[in-house]
Amino acid sequence: NAGVTQTPKFRVLKTGQSMTLLCAQDMNHEYMYWYRQDPGMGLRLIHYSVGEGTTAKGEVPDGYNVSRLKKQNFLLGLESAAPSQTSVYFCASSASGTSGPDTQYFGPGTRLTVL
Amino acid sequence: GQNIDQPTEMTATEGAIVQINCTYQTSGFNGLFWYQQHAGEAPTFLSYNVLDGLEEKGRFSSFLSRSKGYSYLLLKELQMKDSASYLCAVRDGDYKLSFGAGTTVTVRA
Repeated sequence: NAGVTQTPKFRVLKTGQSMTLLCAQDMNHEYMYWYRQDPGMGLRLIHYSVGEGTTAKGEVPDGYNVSRLKKQNFLLGLESAAPSQTSVYFCASSASGTSGPDTQYFGPGTRLTVL
Repeated sequence: GQNIDQPTEMTATEGAIVQINCTYQTSGFNGLFWYQQHAGEAPTFLSYNVLDGLEEKGRFSSFLSRSKGYSYLLLKELQMKDSASYLCAVRDGDYKLSFGAGTTVTVRA
């Protein structure tokens, strides 16, 4: 049981390049989330998904797109990377609780630098 | 929007007790979480409070007062491995988490 995994662990992009970050979970969780973490700021929600085939915008969605074609995978795409997207990206997942999502469990993170 | 405040840094001695406070103002409330995050690693779940009162888990305890919009995390018998960032997160009426900026705790020998 690997929990939540993320690939790649590190990436350096040039401004304008595109890339996709992959998150996978093997816990059969319904909910999945993408956050970014910047120095001096809390984790901020980019996009999330409440189930296979569904996605929704979080607090800071601009410049990102997501897809949840399979229940276990949640992809985060950057179509045209900008230096402001330099950050550490965390994926998380949670099971369904009695009245909403349960505790979130996080992946190891992806460190992205945009030059 | 959400407003979650916690101190930026705290320092304590090995074996001592440290209390990390968190105050919040959110639209709706469905629980408060504490996570631990070591440098360069993922946040890991520590505790969850949804009702007022104290939840104890070994050396760690978490307290919640919903009427005051206040929580604290108490770390007892501090060990060097407790040096980390501690994140307060509130689940709002839409079941989304909002995080504070985190409190970096440094444990000194």
